[in-house]
Amino acid sequence: AQTVTQSQPEMSVQEAETVTLSCTYDTSESDYYLFWYKQPPSRQMILVIRQEAYKQQNATENRFSVNFQKAAKSFSLKISDSQLGDAAMYFCAYRSAMAGANSKLTFGKGITLSVRP
Amino acid sequence: DGGITQSPKYLFRKEGQNVTLSCEQNLNHDAMYWYRQDPGQGLRLIYYSQIVNDFQKGDIAEGYSVSREKKESFPLTVTSAQKNPTAFYLCASSIRGTGFEKLFFGSGTQLSVL
Repeated sequence: AQTVTQSQPEMSVQEAETVTLSCTYDTSESDYYLFWYKQPPSRQMILVIRQEAYKQQNATENRFSVNFQKAAKSFSLKISDSQLGDAAMYFCAYRSAMAGANSKLTFGKGITLSVRP
Repeated sequence: DGGITQSPKYLFRKEGQNVTLSCEQNLNHDAMYWYRQDPGQGLRLIYYSQIVNDFQKGDIAEGYSVSREKKESFPLTVTSAQKNPTAFYLCASSIRGTGFEKLFFGSGTQLSVL
């Protein structure tokens, strides 16, 4: 079974600075998807960024980018120019790319990010 | 606007009572999911459905039941067999054709035991 580990329960960053959130996963599969979801105080889950394992290029979405290290099974999220609105809980998630697979996302336990003004 | 609607936002359950959480989507998505969120636990999958009249158990299905009679609706019943139901429940959906890899979430229901 796949597992997703977020070992840091909390992190803090100064506004306008850069922060990196760590995530590791364990799988025996070669093709899969990885995601970062944001959960602000409203508790609505918002997709931040996703990465296909077969793509070597790291995904980017504006101020958000990932460092995907397939061999190391590492998938970190970098937030540049941090803003107060980035304060939230962030979840790393994994999904198999196999057709007919369980169709489920496996989530890490999340990390709470606070942004200092 | 298209989206996923969960109701109610807050729900209270008495001992021995079954309660049903509603989830409706107008995105024309094929698959729907129920996740449970506990503090410090992340999200855990309860049930999911890829097509009408079919659903599968997730990792923590005991004490829960679902139905999928319509494509738009996927209600979750928390039965009296679920001994620790207090949690935040999230419904999600995704579209067939791309591996179901992108989930859209509702705003959640907080269930508490009286």
